[in-house]
Amino acid sequence: SSELTQDPAVSVALGQTVRITCQGDSLRSYYPSWYQQKPGQAPVLVIYGKNNRPSGIPDRFSGSSSGDTASLTITGAQAEDEADYYCNSRDSSGNHLVFGGGTKLTVL
Amino acid sequence: QVQLQESGPGLVKPSETLSLTCTVSGGSIINYYLSWIRQPPGKGLEWIGYIYYTGSTYSNPSLKSRVTISLDTSKNQFSLKLSSVTAADTAVYYCARTYSSGWDWFDPWGQGTLVTVSS
Repeated sequence: SSELTQDPAVSVALGQTVRITCQGDSLRSYYPSWYQQKPGQAPVLVIYGKNNRPSGIPDRFSGSSSGDTASLTITGAQAEDEADYYCNSRDSSGNHLVFGGGTKLTVL
Repeated sequence: QVQLQESGPGLVKPSETLSLTCTVSGGSIINYYLSWIRQPPGKGLEWIGYIYYTGSTYSNPSLKSRVTISLDTSKNQFSLKLSSVTAADTAVYYCARTYSSGWDWFDPWGQGTLVTVSS
């Protein structure tokens, strides 16, 4: 089992706001990164560090952290945001990297 | 724009060694970590390990005894060897440039290559 826990599936109505969470002890010490993966494609970085978006990522994507839980928020979800989302951070030792199990986002 | 491309055999026999190479183009590998990540069909992502441009390596403890990651800076390439493979090693294998500065992120990723372990 992963040291980072994500809800397996989340749904959101078109245009509404959705929060995808990632929980793990290491998140008290390390910011996570977040990845979007669409079917048949490689993952794409959407958030890294405290709340940084790579060039080309819409500003409706944002990240936050509190205690052992980090969140990826999509404000005004679009149909094209339907995808799997993964968080990544260090493990509890701080020496290795680990992914959450992923969250399948459905936009209704 | 930096691009990464995985290459290697798509079929490996059980108990043999899986070997993949990642070629980095459009940018330097100096000052970066370079990771291997895999994804079994229908499942989530698993970090395999990474190598720093100096040659230092770090691997997932669950795979460490079977993993070798090496670097060829003259060719802007790095490689993965995974020994004693079984069907459980069947996955899409990705390479990714990795930033590690107190926290970590992978960007960009290669397109991935499917490796099937079967006799």
